[in-house]
Parts: sequence; C-alpha cells; structure tokens
Amino acid sequence: AQSVTQLDSQVPVFEEAPVELRCNYSSSVSVYLFWYVQYPNQGLQLLLKYLSGSTLVKGINGFEAEFNKSQTSFHLRKPSVHISDTAEYFCAVSSASYDKVIFGPGTSLSVIP
Amino acid sequence: ETGVTQSPTHLIKTRGQQVTLRCSSQSGHNTVSWYQQALGQGPQFIFQYYREEENGRGNFPPRFSGLQFPNYSSELNVNALELDDSALYLCASSPEGGGANVLTFGAGSRLTVL
Repeated sequence: AQSVTQLDSQVPVFEEAPVELRCNYSSSVSVYLFWYVQYPNQGLQLLLKYLSGSTLVKGINGFEAEFNKSQTSFHLRKPSVHISDTAEYFCAVSSASYDKVIFGPGTSLSVIP
Repeated sequence: ETGVTQSPTHLIKTRGQQVTLRCSSQSGHNTVSWYQQALGQGPQFIFQYYREEENGRGNFPPRFSGLQFPNYSSELNVNALELDDSALYLCASSPEGGGANVLTFGAGSRLTVL
C-alpha cells in the first residue's frame, strides 16, 4: 500500500526567506509524485508533478521539488516566499499502474511579513 | 477550456438524511474521482469513475455511492448521513491514458451534517 508522510504540520517563515516543505512516501512500485496547493475555501491546484525523467521538477509560482528515490522523498522548495504563498500544501503519490492518488495530511505554510 | 464545476457549494443536512453532490468534468476528461476532506486533513479517496463504471474505491462504506453519465459528469450520493460525514467533498477529473492520475480539482461542496 502507498502512503505519504509530511513531517511538518505547520511551517512559519518570514517573507523573502527560503522554505522547504518535506514529503516522504512509501510504495512498492514505481510512482508518480505531486504537490498541490489549497488556498482558503478553495479546491486543490497542481503545483508540480514528477512522472519520469529529470529528478528536479519546476512548477508554478517559483516552486520546485526534487525526487530522491533512495530516500523516498519529494521535498518542495522555494528560494524566496511571498505573503501570497500562505496556504495548505499537500504532497501526493500515485502508482504508475493505478489511478488512485493518495494525499498526505498537509503542511500549513504561513508567511510572516 | 472549462474547468471542473461542483454543485452545490454549501449545504446543511441532518443526521439520517440523504445528499447528492454533482460534478461536471473538465472538457476532454473522461475520468472522475471523488475525495472527502475533513477539516484540517488531507483529501481521502472515495472512488473513481471511468466510462460510467466504478474503477477503484477507497475505504468508505456502501452508503457512499456514485454515478457517471455519458457526458462524463458525475454524482456522489451519501445515504443515512452521519455527523462525521461533515467535510469538503472534492471532485477531480483527469484525461484518459498518459495522465490518468493527474487531477484537475473543482472548488468542492462543503457539507455540514447537524
């Protein structure tokens, strides 16, 4: 069975500082990996995805993530955050062979002015 | 292209009642997945529909059921509502093949059970 762990439930960071949101997954098969963002009272928006190829994936809004198969991690990074990045961030995993997408519990990013 | 639309956006029901939530998939997408997101938690997979058939189900009881129509829109039905069913219900569509598990989400239907 697949699962996702997000080690930090809340991450406060000052505006213009860098941030890393951690994600680890478990799966017995090859995986697709995703990061989604959810703003208050909204649905989820895809930030970036890893399906195959380069392990460094760039997404929208200046975010990037690196797939590390040996450490089963897919951490999300941004070099300089803005107030508008305040939101809930979800890491998700899916088997390359199945369609079900499993989400982690989420990390609440709060950007402090 | 149109995105995923869900209705209603908010609704309040009482225990024991039944509810139907609706979802129109994004143009060109023929797969619809439903998720339940309780307050402060990640989305939990309920089930997925592909070509009008259920194609995978999460750990939810049979009183959670669904339909997909020929135009790929979908309904989620929940019978005998319980207080714990209070949540945001998210619909997501995806294209067939090659990106079947890359989801486009709607804004959700927030259900409150009293």
